[in-house]
Amino acid sequence: AIQMTQSPSSLSASVGDRVTMTCRASQGIGNDLGWYQQKPGKAPKLLIYGSSSLQSGVPSRFSGSGSGTDFTLTISSLQPEDFATYYCLQDYNYPRMFGQGTKVEIK
Amino acid sequence: EVQLVESGGGLVQPGGSLRLSCSASGFSFSNYDMNWVRQAPGKGLEWISYIRDSGSTIYYADSVKGRFSISRDNAKNSLYLQMDSLRAEDTAVYFCARDGVRSGTYPTFEYWGQGVLVTVSS
Repeated sequence: AIQMTQSPSSLSASVGDRVTMTCRASQGIGNDLGWYQQKPGKAPKLLIYGSSSLQSGVPSRFSGSGSGTDFTLTISSLQPEDFATYYCLQDYNYPRMFGQGTKVEIK
Repeated sequence: EVQLVESGGGLVQPGGSLRLSCSASGFSFSNYDMNWVRQAPGKGLEWISYIRDSGSTIYYADSVKGRFSISRDNAKNSLYLQMDSLRAEDTAVYFCARDGVRSGTYPTFEYWGQGVLVTVSS
């Protein structure tokens, strides 16, 4: 199974900050990567698919990049509603594998 | 509006069985692949099973293979997860999730239900 490693596991940031987190696959997955946002007690929400395609309705401050094994999710200007945990997911093959998550906390 | 509503969760003893359901509305259920994803308390997300729109292809995570069975009834717009030989480590919130249209680059887990809690304990 392809393993997904996210870093950092948590970060502290202020409203307005530019935030970047990364996800690394244990083998190449092309562009087959998604990013999800989850708030406590809620279902995850799809933000990005195909490494860089913004899901409909998701604010443009979210962007994704990367291919092969290294991927990045960037929030250009952190908003209060963005404090949450972010997960990457490889959808290159089965079993689907999530990263362990990056928790974005208020500084 | 796409809606996915899980049901069937609850408390079950180790070794017991439970059947989860996911009722879909707001889209043509028979045209979409479906999944189950779970989240243990305080832990991350774990994909556990997939079923193709027609039911012709099924995959499982190793952690549930041989114990869980996914199925669907397209006439009833419903997805199911039969869980047998349950263990304490199966305690989690279980989500059903719909993929996007299977064409080109498409989103996985595009829509999610609200989740249902399964607790395995004596």
